[in-house]
Amino acid sequence: GENVEQHPSTLSVQEGDSAVIKCTYSDSASNYFPWYKQELGKRPQLIIDIRSNVGEKKDQRIAVTLNKTAKHFSLHITETQPEDSAVYFCAAEKGGSEKLVFGKGMKLTVNP
Amino acid sequence: ETGVTQTPRHLVMGMTNKKSLKCEQHLGHNAMYWYKQSAKKPLELMFVYSLEERVENNSVPSRFSPECPNSSHLFLHLHTLQPEDSALYLCASSLGLAAYNEQFFGPGTRLTVL
Repeated sequence: GENVEQHPSTLSVQEGDSAVIKCTYSDSASNYFPWYKQELGKRPQLIIDIRSNVGEKKDQRIAVTLNKTAKHFSLHITETQPEDSAVYFCAAEKGGSEKLVFGKGMKLTVNP
Repeated sequence: ETGVTQTPRHLVMGMTNKKSLKCEQHLGHNAMYWYKQSAKKPLELMFVYSLEERVENNSVPSRFSPECPNSSHLFLHLHTLQPEDSALYLCASSLGLAAYNEQFFGPGTRLTVL
């Protein structure tokens, strides 16, 4: 079955720096990769996603890249701000199942 | 309240108690989900319902029993739980079952089993 690994588990950056969160997946049939953000005490919310027919997608300060050959995808946050502090979860569609398999999450802390 | 709501927000129960978690979505979605979120673990999918029909039971112990009386409501009935079942239980809904449908999460129920 699909296995999603996420690393690092924690990351601390200074405000204004960039942050990169990496995920690997095992199922070559996966075609959809969303990222969810969960602020402290709040519910997870979708922030960006990418499909397998695209290599990169951007939305303002966040971008996601996908390397299907290597089976890894990454979330890039530029010009980080304190409100970017949260746990970020990557997920991959379990091929053909319509289910999402989530990674363990990465806690990002942006220090002012 | 709009979106996905869950009650109660916090629950403490003994191992012999029976309790139920409730989820309600006001988004007109057709699919609903139960997830378990434990510290330092991935979000674990427990159950999936589509149009009130269970389509996924992800090897969850029988002490957890879901119920979906209609497309807006989802319950998780709890019975003889174990301390390791203590976690945040999140409900989510999406327009349809396909993975590319954004899942909207509720605020969760923080469950503590004594």
